[in-house]
Amino acid sequence: DQQVKQNSPSLSVQEGRISILNCDYTNSMFDYFLWYKKYPAEGPTFLISISSIKDKNEDGRFTVFLNKSAKHLSLHIVPSQPGDSAVYFCAASARSGGYNKLIFGAGTRLAVHP
Amino acid sequence: GAVVSQHPSWVICKSGTSVKIECRSLDFQATTMFWYRQFPKQSLMLMATSNEGSKATYEQGVEKDKFLINHASLTLSTLTVTSAHPEDSSFYICSARETREAGEKLFFGSGTQLSVL
Repeated sequence: DQQVKQNSPSLSVQEGRISILNCDYTNSMFDYFLWYKKYPAEGPTFLISISSIKDKNEDGRFTVFLNKSAKHLSLHIVPSQPGDSAVYFCAASARSGGYNKLIFGAGTRLAVHP
Repeated sequence: GAVVSQHPSWVICKSGTSVKIECRSLDFQATTMFWYRQFPKQSLMLMATSNEGSKATYEQGVEKDKFLINHASLTLSTLTVTSAHPEDSSFYICSARETREAGEKLFFGSGTQLSVL
């Protein structure tokens, strides 16, 4: 039973355009969400997070939107750059678990081409 | 930022042998370390949580006798895959947390690709 789903395994975007990566979750106990970025042969690195008390968090070119009623979040990258090409993982955790567990989606491979 | 070193990056072994993977926090003390496994095109799946000086907590379906975890110090955790079989072939990745905070303080190693022949 996948509690965090990233239904698009891959996404291709032209440089300068917006990249939108989507993530859905099923567990209503999740109240903290994170995006990680992973390059080949490297571990995931933290990108941006959002608490369930917010519906938007912005950090430079990266914005995460949270729709709690739809149990959906998305990561927007604008403008997209070739260096953004990587696999992006959505992850969720819950205060009830002391934020000890991160449940990951399967990842979306983003390719930004010139 | 904080660095987590995982070694080896690649390992190929024969069926029936044991493989040890090390995870070190290089510039901070990791009170908690996590071990994940990822099969191709699937999510990172949490296998176990280890706290320094105590027994690891395994997720449901993960065999504790097969995946031995030792967290003997605040900077080192090891995962030993005992009597490895081809179905254990996977990408194993560790992460370490410095304090009891939310996810942005979780730092990942670069992973170990295990291939069992």
